[in-house]
Amino acid sequence: KQEVTQIPAALSVPEGENLVLNCSFTDSAIYNLQWFRQDPGKGLTSLLLIQSSQREQTSGRLNASLDKSSGRSTLYIAASQPGDSATYLCAVTYSGGGADGLTFGKGTHLIIQP
Amino acid sequence: DTAVSQTPKYLVTQMGNDKSIKCEQNLGHDTMYWYKQDSKKFLKIMFSYNNKELIINETVPNRFSPKSPDKAHLNLHINSLELGDSAVYFCASSQYTGGPPALETQYFGPGTRLLVL
Repeated sequence: KQEVTQIPAALSVPEGENLVLNCSFTDSAIYNLQWFRQDPGKGLTSLLLIQSSQREQTSGRLNASLDKSSGRSTLYIAASQPGDSATYLCAVTYSGGGADGLTFGKGTHLIIQP
Repeated sequence: DTAVSQTPKYLVTQMGNDKSIKCEQNLGHDTMYWYKQDSKKFLKIMFSYNNKELIINETVPNRFSPKSPDKAHLNLHINSLELGDSAVYFCASSQYTGGPPALETQYFGPGTRLLVL
């Protein structure tokens, strides 16, 4: 059974710092990996999607990497801003065939101090 | 325009009642999902629907039943509500490619906060 773990569970850093969020998954048979952002009381926003054949994806100040063989992904946030404060969720689509849902980690709660 | 919308946003009800949560997407997607986020913020898939066929049904009590009147809607009906059903329920959609879903980004609704008293 696929399990997704995110470390750390919570992180608080001063504004302007670069930071890395970690995600690991137990079964490397995945189609893709997604990073989401969840703001308090709000829905999920997809940030980046990495296909299993890709090593990384970039969007603005965000860079996500994927090492499928080791079951790891990182989300790098450059020059953090208070507006980046949110919960970041990692999720994988397991290679089960058909229209699969996502298996989520429990998230990293990020606070950027002004 | 909101891509994936859910109603109601908040739902407070008594134990034993039957309730429905509605979801609509205007993205033209043909696959829709329901997820449950529990009190510990852990998000888990409940159902997915593709072309009105149930593709996934995780270990969810049969009190929960998804109903899809058309491709743009996937409503969640819950019978005999229990205290443990209190959670945030998210609807999502994606475009089913018929092959490996590597390119299928899922778009999520804002969530429905259900509280069972």
